[in-house]
Amino acid sequence: AQKVTQAQTEISVVEKEDVTLDCVYETRDTTYYLFWYKQPPSGELVFLIRRNSFDEQNEISGRYSWNFQKSTSSFNFTITASQVVDSAVYFCALSEPNDSWGKLQFGAGTQVVVTP
Amino acid sequence: ETGVTQTPRHLVMGMTNKKSLKCEQHLGHNAMYWYKQSAKKPLELMFVYNFKEQTENNSVPSRFSPECPNSSHLFLHLHTLQPEDSALYLCASSQDLRGGILGTGELFFGEGSRLTVL
Repeated sequence: AQKVTQAQTEISVVEKEDVTLDCVYETRDTTYYLFWYKQPPSGELVFLIRRNSFDEQNEISGRYSWNFQKSTSSFNFTITASQVVDSAVYFCALSEPNDSWGKLQFGAGTQVVVTP
Repeated sequence: ETGVTQTPRHLVMGMTNKKSLKCEQHLGHNAMYWYKQSAKKPLELMFVYNFKEQTENNSVPSRFSPECPNSSHLFLHLHTLQPEDSALYLCASSQDLRGGILGTGELFFGEGSRLTVL
């Protein structure tokens, strides 16, 4: 069963618009980690953020912000004032302690297209 | 530059060919991974090596054969593949985090090898 769901397949925005990517996860563990990765056209996945299950503080890093809500099992990602360079596929992922921490379970990804 | 280098970047092969994908990490990590990324499917974990020992084989067909001679190098040997094996194959590395308190759980990915099987 899919443990990480990214319901949005593709989101298209015009530059300077905000865009929010949804991520819903499923786990029975109380300790787990959530991640967001960015995959630009070059192919490599680039780490953006890790959040552990005990830290529900929202985080902001420049134009990026993340909203973690355990009550709804969601870890949403917002890009503020989007730029063309933000065009990429964004993946949400889950790591659970019963597996090796490196065994990330990825969502299907959301393609973000930012046009000038 | 993520510190993980994959070669070749593109590979076209027939179903009867034998080829290999190579991955090298310069980060001092102990764990290496192969992921498969097909169109419109989530990334699929194929193999995990931890301190050169294979710790995970995610029900991968035997036509894919991994090799990890040391903690810096990882190979994926390909033999008699099928057209549906065409995909982007991504290598990643991380620190060994079993029990996982100290590390970030972050994977460092290479740019991938785009495989086309004719």
